[in-house]
Amino acid sequence: DVKVTQSSRYLVKRTGEKVFLECVQDMDHENMFWYRQDPGLGLRLIYFSYDVKMKEKGDIPEGYSVSREKKERFSLILESASTNQTSMYLCASSPRGGLSPTYEQYFGPGTRLTVT
Amino acid sequence: AQSVSQHNHHVILSEAASLELGCNYSYGGTVNLFWYVQYPGQHLQLLLKYFSGDPLVKGIKGFEAEFIKSKFSFNLRKPSVQWSDTAEYFCAVKRGGSQGNLIFGKGTKLSVKP
Repeated sequence: DVKVTQSSRYLVKRTGEKVFLECVQDMDHENMFWYRQDPGLGLRLIYFSYDVKMKEKGDIPEGYSVSREKKERFSLILESASTNQTSMYLCASSPRGGLSPTYEQYFGPGTRLTVT
Repeated sequence: AQSVSQHNHHVILSEAASLELGCNYSYGGTVNLFWYVQYPGQHLQLLLKYFSGDPLVKGIKGFEAEFIKSKFSFNLRKPSVQWSDTAEYFCAVKRGGSQGNLIFGKGTKLSVKP
């Protein structure tokens, strides 16, 4: 079974703090993704990565950065946390896309971040 | 810009009722289509997916979806829902040939009354 794990289920941080969210997958997937999930807005892509040291902006990258130093690990960084970044953060991984019939994204359990 | 629309924000049904959740997308080229489900307190997990071939796709737990290319739709159906189907359902689209980005709809909450 594919496993995507996230470092924390719940996190409370103060405004202005630097926050690190970690994600690890154990299936040797090339692609990794960070989303935030908010009620009524669905999932919105923050950043994704197709390979080690590669990163691409998603739809809402402002206020976030990412790091992918190893294939299995993809970190999301909030440089200076703000209250509007209070949300559920979901990490996902997938094998390389294109025409692969087995392609799908596998999700972690999520980190509920509260910024006060 | 590409978008995915889910018609209903919240659907409430009684057990044994039939379910149809709408999903429309805006991209005109080749697409791959997915339905994900999130049960309360659990991970998002894949219900079913369409890549090519038979436009009627069967997934887990008795769900199915039909891809209608002319209508840009991929509606999810289940003939008889159970209380355990209470969850949030997300439609997602991947452009054919793209590396892997999915575009998600805003989700539909399904509440099934026992």
